[in-house]
Amino acid sequence: DTTVKQNPRYKLARVGKPVNLICSQTMNHDTMYWYQKKPNQAPKLLLFYYDKILNREADTFEKFQSSRPNNSFCSLYIGSAGLEYSAMYLCASSSDWGGSYEQYFGPGTRLTVL
Amino acid sequence: GDSVTQTKGPVTLSEGTSLTVNCSYETKQYPTLFWYVQYPGEGPQLLFKVPKANEKGSNRGFEATYDKGTTSFHLQKASVQESDSAVYYCVLAPSSNTNKVVFGTGTRLQVLP
Repeated sequence: DTTVKQNPRYKLARVGKPVNLICSQTMNHDTMYWYQKKPNQAPKLLLFYYDKILNREADTFEKFQSSRPNNSFCSLYIGSAGLEYSAMYLCASSSDWGGSYEQYFGPGTRLTVL
Repeated sequence: GDSVTQTKGPVTLSEGTSLTVNCSYETKQYPTLFWYVQYPGEGPQLLFKVPKANEKGSNRGFEATYDKGTTSFHLQKASVQESDSAVYYCVLAPSSNTNKVVFGTGTRLQVLP
Protein backbone atom coordinates (compact mmCIF):
# COMPACT_ATOMS: atom_id res chain seq x y z
CA ASP A 1 0.00 0.00 0.00
CA THR A 2 1.57 3.27 -1.17
CA THR A 3 -1.12 5.51 0.29
CA VAL A 4 -0.50 8.68 2.20
CA LYS A 5 -3.60 9.83 4.06
CA GLN A 6 -4.47 13.32 5.21
CA ASN A 7 -7.14 14.48 7.61
CA PRO A 8 -9.24 16.43 7.34
CA ARG A 9 -9.61 16.98 3.60
CA TYR A 10 -11.18 20.38 4.17
CA LYS A 11 -10.66 22.65 7.14
CA LEU A 12 -12.31 25.96 7.94
CA ALA A 13 -10.58 28.07 10.57
CA ARG A 14 -11.07 31.48 12.11
CA VAL A 15 -8.37 34.12 12.14
CA GLY A 16 -6.32 33.82 15.29
CA LYS A 17 -7.35 30.23 16.05
CA PRO A 18 -5.03 27.21 15.99
CA VAL A 19 -5.08 24.61 13.23
CA ASN A 20 -3.80 21.04 13.36
CA LEU A 21 -3.48 18.91 10.23
CA ILE A 22 -2.72 15.21 10.27
CA CYS A 23 -0.85 12.96 7.85
CA SER A 24 -0.21 9.23 7.99
CA GLN A 25 1.62 6.63 5.92
CA THR A 26 2.10 2.89 6.38
CA MET A 27 5.12 2.45 4.10
CA ASN A 28 7.61 2.77 6.96
CA HIS A 29 9.16 5.76 5.22
CA ASP A 30 11.90 7.62 7.04
CA THR A 31 11.13 11.06 5.66
CA MET A 32 7.86 12.99 5.81
CA TYR A 33 7.28 16.42 4.29
CA TRP A 34 4.77 19.23 4.44
CA TYR A 35 4.20 21.57 1.51
CA GLN A 36 1.98 24.61 1.08
CA LYS A 37 0.34 25.08 -2.31
CA LYS A 38 -1.40 28.30 -3.35
CA PRO A 39 -3.11 28.91 -6.70
CA ASN A 40 -0.71 29.59 -9.57
CA GLN A 41 2.29 28.98 -7.33
CA ALA A 42 4.64 26.06 -6.99
CA PRO A 43 4.32 23.83 -3.95
CA LYS A 44 6.48 25.32 -1.22
CA LEU A 45 8.34 23.12 1.22
CA LEU A 46 7.55 24.09 4.80
CA LEU A 47 9.38 21.42 6.77
CA PHE A 48 10.33 17.79 6.82
CA TYR A 49 11.15 15.07 9.30
CA TYR A 50 13.94 12.62 8.74
CA ASP A 51 13.25 9.96 11.34
CA LYS A 52 12.73 12.05 14.49
CA ILE A 53 14.68 15.09 13.34
CA LEU A 54 12.66 18.10 12.27
CA ASN A 55 13.99 20.49 9.63
CA ARG A 56 12.06 23.71 9.05
CA GLU A 57 12.59 26.13 6.19
CA ALA A 58 14.10 29.41 7.31
CA ASP A 59 11.40 31.67 5.88
CA THR A 60 8.54 29.77 7.56
CA PHE A 61 10.35 28.76 10.71
CA GLU A 62 8.15 30.65 13.13
CA LYS A 63 4.86 30.10 11.33
CA PHE A 64 4.59 26.31 11.41
CA GLN A 65 5.30 23.64 13.96
CA SER A 66 5.19 19.89 13.56
CA SER A 67 5.38 16.68 15.51
CA ARG A 68 6.02 13.08 14.60
CA PRO A 69 4.99 10.86 17.49
CA ASN A 70 5.85 7.70 15.55
CA ASN A 71 7.08 6.67 12.13
CA SER A 72 3.60 6.65 10.60
CA PHE A 73 2.14 9.98 11.71
CA CYS A 74 3.10 13.59 11.23
CA SER A 75 1.17 16.72 12.10
CA LEU A 76 1.34 20.32 10.95
CA TYR A 77 0.39 22.91 13.53
CA ILE A 78 -0.45 26.57 13.08
CA GLY A 79 -0.65 28.39 16.39
CA SER A 80 -2.64 31.38 15.20
CA ALA A 81 -4.09 31.24 11.71
CA GLY A 82 -4.02 34.30 9.48
CA LEU A 83 -5.72 34.90 6.16
CA GLU A 84 -2.41 34.22 4.40
CA TYR A 85 -2.50 30.61 5.59
CA SER A 86 -5.41 29.78 3.30
CA ALA A 87 -3.95 27.19 0.93
CA MET A 88 -3.74 23.51 0.08
CA TYR A 89 -1.40 21.63 2.40
CA LEU A 90 0.24 18.56 0.93
CA CYS A 91 1.94 15.85 2.96
CA ALA A 92 4.44 13.54 1.35
CA SER A 93 6.80 10.76 2.36
CA SER A 94 9.89 9.14 0.92
CA SER A 95 11.81 6.04 1.80
CA ASP A 96 15.13 7.64 2.66
CA TRP A 97 17.17 10.80 2.97
CA GLY A 98 17.75 12.82 -0.17
CA GLY A 99 15.70 14.58 -2.78
CA SER A 100 16.45 12.00 -5.47
CA TYR A 101 13.97 9.59 -3.89
CA GLU A 102 10.40 9.49 -5.11
CA GLN A 103 7.94 11.32 -2.90
CA TYR A 104 4.48 9.87 -2.28
CA PHE A 105 1.85 12.53 -1.77
CA GLY A 106 -1.43 12.59 0.05
CA PRO A 107 -4.51 14.21 -1.49
CA GLY A 108 -4.04 17.38 0.51
CA THR A 109 -5.98 19.37 3.07
CA ARG A 110 -7.62 22.54 1.82
CA LEU A 111 -7.46 25.13 4.59
CA THR A 112 -9.65 28.20 4.42
CA VAL A 113 -9.11 30.89 7.03
CA LEU A 114 -11.91 33.40 7.59
CA GLY B 1 19.73 29.58 -6.54
CA ASP B 2 17.96 26.53 -7.87
CA SER B 3 14.88 27.13 -9.99
CA VAL B 4 12.46 25.52 -12.44
CA THR B 5 10.45 27.29 -15.13
CA GLN B 6 7.77 25.46 -17.07
CA THR B 7 5.06 26.19 -19.62
CA LYS B 8 2.37 28.40 -18.16
CA GLY B 9 -1.00 26.76 -18.58
CA PRO B 10 -3.68 25.99 -19.12
CA VAL B 11 -2.97 23.98 -22.23
CA THR B 12 -6.01 22.71 -24.13
CA LEU B 13 -5.62 20.00 -26.74
CA SER B 14 -7.86 17.68 -28.70
CA GLU B 15 -7.51 13.94 -28.27
CA GLY B 16 -4.91 12.45 -30.55
CA THR B 17 -2.78 15.58 -30.82
CA SER B 18 0.78 15.89 -29.56
CA LEU B 19 1.90 17.51 -26.33
CA THR B 20 5.02 19.40 -25.34
CA VAL B 21 5.39 20.99 -21.94
CA ASN B 22 8.58 22.96 -21.69
CA CYS B 23 10.72 22.82 -18.58
CA SER B 24 13.96 24.68 -18.00
CA TYR B 25 16.02 24.48 -14.85
CA GLU B 26 18.87 26.27 -13.13
CA THR B 27 21.26 24.74 -10.66
CA LYS B 28 25.00 24.60 -10.06
CA GLN B 29 24.75 21.04 -8.77
CA TYR B 30 24.15 17.62 -10.34
CA PRO B 31 20.41 17.21 -10.13
CA THR B 32 17.86 14.49 -10.53
CA LEU B 33 14.89 15.63 -12.61
CA PHE B 34 11.32 14.48 -12.23
CA TRP B 35 7.94 14.85 -13.81
CA TYR B 36 5.01 14.48 -11.43
CA VAL B 37 1.35 14.38 -12.46
CA GLN B 38 -1.61 15.42 -10.33
CA TYR B 39 -5.10 14.23 -11.21
CA PRO B 40 -8.17 15.99 -9.81
CA GLY B 41 -8.76 15.21 -6.16
CA GLU B 42 -5.41 13.47 -5.75
CA GLY B 43 -1.91 14.39 -4.70
CA PRO B 44 0.97 14.57 -7.17
CA GLN B 45 2.38 11.20 -8.21
CA LEU B 46 5.61 10.36 -9.92
CA LEU B 47 5.40 10.03 -13.69
CA PHE B 48 9.11 9.29 -14.04
CA LYS B 49 12.51 10.53 -12.98
CA VAL B 50 15.90 10.81 -14.67
CA PRO B 51 18.97 10.89 -12.42
CA LYS B 52 21.61 11.29 -15.11
CA ALA B 53 22.28 13.88 -17.76
CA ASN B 54 21.59 12.96 -21.39
CA GLU B 55 19.31 10.10 -20.44
CA LYS B 56 15.62 9.76 -21.19
CA GLY B 57 12.76 8.86 -18.90
CA SER B 58 9.39 7.58 -20.00
CA ASN B 59 6.12 6.23 -18.68
CA ARG B 60 2.55 5.88 -19.99
CA GLY B 61 3.60 7.26 -23.39
CA PHE B 62 5.19 10.38 -21.89
CA GLU B 63 8.91 10.99 -22.25
CA ALA B 64 11.54 13.59 -21.49
CA THR B 65 15.29 13.86 -22.01
CA TYR B 66 17.55 15.38 -19.36
CA ASP B 67 19.52 17.82 -21.53
CA LYS B 68 22.38 19.28 -19.53
CA GLY B 69 23.58 21.37 -22.45
CA THR B 70 20.37 23.37 -22.72
CA THR B 71 19.30 22.79 -19.08
CA SER B 72 15.96 21.52 -20.27
CA PHE B 73 13.67 18.59 -19.50
CA HIS B 74 10.70 18.99 -21.82
CA LEU B 75 7.76 16.61 -21.45
CA GLN B 76 6.35 15.13 -24.66
CA LYS B 77 3.62 12.75 -25.69
CA ALA B 78 2.79 11.89 -29.27
CA SER B 79 -0.96 11.42 -28.85
CA VAL B 80 -2.82 12.61 -25.77
CA GLN B 81 -5.96 11.05 -24.36
CA GLU B 82 -8.78 12.63 -22.38
CA SER B 83 -7.52 10.71 -19.33
CA ASP B 84 -4.24 12.67 -19.52
CA SER B 85 -6.07 15.78 -18.31
CA ALA B 86 -4.15 16.75 -15.17
CA VAL B 87 -1.56 19.14 -13.79
CA TYR B 88 2.05 18.33 -14.66
CA TYR B 89 4.95 19.44 -12.46
CA CYS B 90 8.58 19.57 -13.45
CA VAL B 91 10.70 19.02 -10.33
CA LEU B 92 14.39 19.44 -9.58
CA ALA B 93 16.29 17.66 -6.83
CA PRO B 94 19.54 19.64 -6.73
CA SER B 95 21.61 16.86 -5.22
CA SER B 96 21.41 13.74 -3.12
CA ASN B 97 22.69 15.74 -0.13
CA THR B 98 19.49 17.66 0.44
CA ASN B 99 15.84 16.74 0.91
CA LYS B 100 14.68 20.02 -0.56
CA VAL B 101 13.30 19.72 -4.08
CA VAL B 102 12.19 22.59 -6.32
CA PHE B 103 8.83 22.42 -8.06
CA GLY B 104 7.75 24.30 -11.13
CA THR B 105 4.41 26.07 -10.92
CA GLY B 106 2.67 23.27 -12.79
CA THR B 107 1.00 23.11 -16.19
CA ARG B 108 -2.68 22.27 -16.35
CA LEU B 109 -3.55 20.14 -19.37
CA GLN B 110 -7.10 19.73 -20.57
CA VAL B 111 -7.72 17.23 -23.33
CA LEU B 112 -11.00 17.51 -25.16
CA PRO B 113 -12.69 14.41 -26.62
